[in-house]
Amino acid sequence: DAGVIQSPRHEVTEMGQEVTLRCKPISGHDYLFWYRQTMMRGLELLIYFNNNVPIDDSGMPEDRFSAKMPNASFSTLKIQPSEPRDSAVYFCASSFGQGLNQPQHFGDGTRLSIL
Amino acid sequence: RKEVEQDPGPFNVPEGATVAFNCTYSNSASQSFFWYRQDCRKEPKLLMSVYSSGNEDGRFTAQLNRASQYISLLIRDSKLSDSATYLCVVLDSGTYKYIFGTGTRLKVLA
Repeated sequence: DAGVIQSPRHEVTEMGQEVTLRCKPISGHDYLFWYRQTMMRGLELLIYFNNNVPIDDSGMPEDRFSAKMPNASFSTLKIQPSEPRDSAVYFCASSFGQGLNQPQHFGDGTRLSIL
Repeated sequence: RKEVEQDPGPFNVPEGATVAFNCTYSNSASQSFFWYRQDCRKEPKLLMSVYSSGNEDGRFTAQLNRASQYISLLIRDSKLSDSATYLCVVLDSGTYKYIFGTGTRLKVLA
């Protein structure tokens, strides 16, 4: 079975450019999460969706960040304009929200470097 | 107090040793608990869920103590390949957020 699929795996771009990260959750999962991980701040939850609806975006750093989930099989995280401090690994994860002990499953991540 | 707390380590142990990690959580209403493993520059991967009665998967044993609000992970006969960061995760059943601890680094030495 396919896991969570993220693209691109690596992105290097200059500051000021728009960056779009993509995620395909596991089929049947109704929750989708976007995280950012850095050495300094660890793993941070940015935003999560339930049935394609954003539930909590309080972790989104500022207005330069936006996320959408137009359908159950696709989500994007966009940074515009990008800044060097946005450099991090961005993970997408999905889960099934029914019953106990339903774990999250993570994608491979996108390693983002803003020059 | 952090919602999920772990000793960051690092724990440096020789091959074959037994090592235990503990994790405490603050929300007594939490129902679902997990241990994840994260290798350097990789994504967190589910190691095991933690069940109320405790559970074992090969060399790994997880325990839950609801009264004291802590979770433990025991690794027996540790291997070099067990070197990683181990993340304690608690599912907040109210918000459906997965609350991650900061992780415990383990290094198994030859």
